[in-house]
Amino acid sequence: QSVLTQSPSASGTPGQRVTISCSGSDSNIGSNSVSWYRQLPGTAPKLLIYRNNQRPSGVPDRFSGSKSDTSASLAISGLRSEDEADYYCAAWDDTLGGFWVFGGGTKLTVL
Amino acid sequence: QLQLQESGPKLVKPSETLSLTCIVAGDFITSSGHYWGLIRQPPGKGLEWIGSFYYTGSTFYNPSLESRVSMSVDTSKTQFSLKLTSVTAADTAVYYCARHAGAHAAHYLDYWGQGILVTVSS
Repeated sequence: QSVLTQSPSASGTPGQRVTISCSGSDSNIGSNSVSWYRQLPGTAPKLLIYRNNQRPSGVPDRFSGSKSDTSASLAISGLRSEDEADYYCAAWDDTLGGFWVFGGGTKLTVL
Repeated sequence: QLQLQESGPKLVKPSETLSLTCIVAGDFITSSGHYWGLIRQPPGKGLEWIGSFYYTGSTFYNPSLESRVSMSVDTSKTQFSLKLTSVTAADTAVYYCARHAGAHAAHYLDYWGQGILVTVSS
């Protein structure tokens, strides 16, 4: 069971806006920034959002992140078929000396 | 452009030690001002952080694995390694090397290797 909670699945049609949520606690999301990673089938995860809402160069502005208290969200607008992937949230947890926690992942299906 | 490449045996017997090397191209581990990490993903499951280290010897390990894990930097300064002792089938996973974006393990992971599937089986 993951420390950060994500819905196992999400779906949308091309052009739609989809939101993926990530719920944590005071010691992780409540105290530290959130990053999001996208994993296309059969490939390694890739950084999608860092410091809650920052996009690395090359990531289109269709992807946006936000954080409020102990929860975070990833929004994808103008959904495309190539967005079909697994999405993971992650944050540093301050307990037990500090360690990284990931969400269980959300599989996004583009219908 | 930074590249990370995982290397090591793809089959390990139960109770033995899993040894993995991460080869870093495009940066020096000891001068980069970055933490370096290892993450794994059991087949069909989510990501699990194993640990992260800084070349000075500072390490952070997943509390659930801490008793069996060690990470270190190779004297070449372009490789780092993972040792996971007393493995079981539950340690079967794709293992990824990654770099943290700054000089603390709390920084996000900005570069990932392609991963290597390690199977624990007799």
